[in-house]
Amino acid sequence: DQQVKQNSPSLSVQEGRISILNCDYTNSMFDYFLWYKKYPAEGPTFLISISSIKDKNEDGRFTVFLNKSAKHLSLHIVPSQPGDSAVYFCAASASGSQGNLIFGKGTKLSVKP
Amino acid sequence: EPEVTQTPSHQVTQMGQEVILRCVPISNHLYFYWYRQILGQKVEFLVSFYNNEISEKSEIFDDQFSVERPDGSNFTLKIRSTKLEDSAMYFCASTLDRGRGYSNQPQHFGDGTRLSIL
Repeated sequence: DQQVKQNSPSLSVQEGRISILNCDYTNSMFDYFLWYKKYPAEGPTFLISISSIKDKNEDGRFTVFLNKSAKHLSLHIVPSQPGDSAVYFCAASASGSQGNLIFGKGTKLSVKP
Repeated sequence: EPEVTQTPSHQVTQMGQEVILRCVPISNHLYFYWYRQILGQKVEFLVSFYNNEISEKSEIFDDQFSVERPDGSNFTLKIRSTKLEDSAMYFCASTLDRGRGYSNQPQHFGDGTRLSIL
């Protein structure tokens, strides 16, 4: 039961260009969405989040867009840097839950110099 | 910046033995979680803990699992009789608030304990 889907297992981008990572969800009760970055042998590191009452949230080079009607969110990284190379996880929590996160499978981003 | 810390980083245990994974959440956080990630699979929710009791648990969190906050700082996950399929990375997370809508706060994760069952 894949409530959160990241359909691209990998993405390769040139340094300085935009990276766009996508995520789809099926549960209409999700009201909070997050992006995490993960390096090997480390835990997920929080990047940026968005509440369902918004459609955009920006933090420096990172912007998350939420399209509720399409049940789709995306993470834009501009400009991409080699240090951004990592696995990116989309996660969501549902209204009425105790905040437990449902994760996607992740997208491995490679930013080439 | 405050961190969630987990010990040990790697635990090797014989099948059938008990294991305790330890976590020190961020000090002013109120909600605590355990997740696991089997190699090559998704990060999966196990249990949430608030106000000294379990607030939610997944189907994975059966009678072999228990959690405890024995003092004001530690948060532990115990597996009573380990099975081969318990081999995974176990992540602890904490958050200040899991309010609704705009008041939600993100969960912060530790670096995990790699549990290997032989």
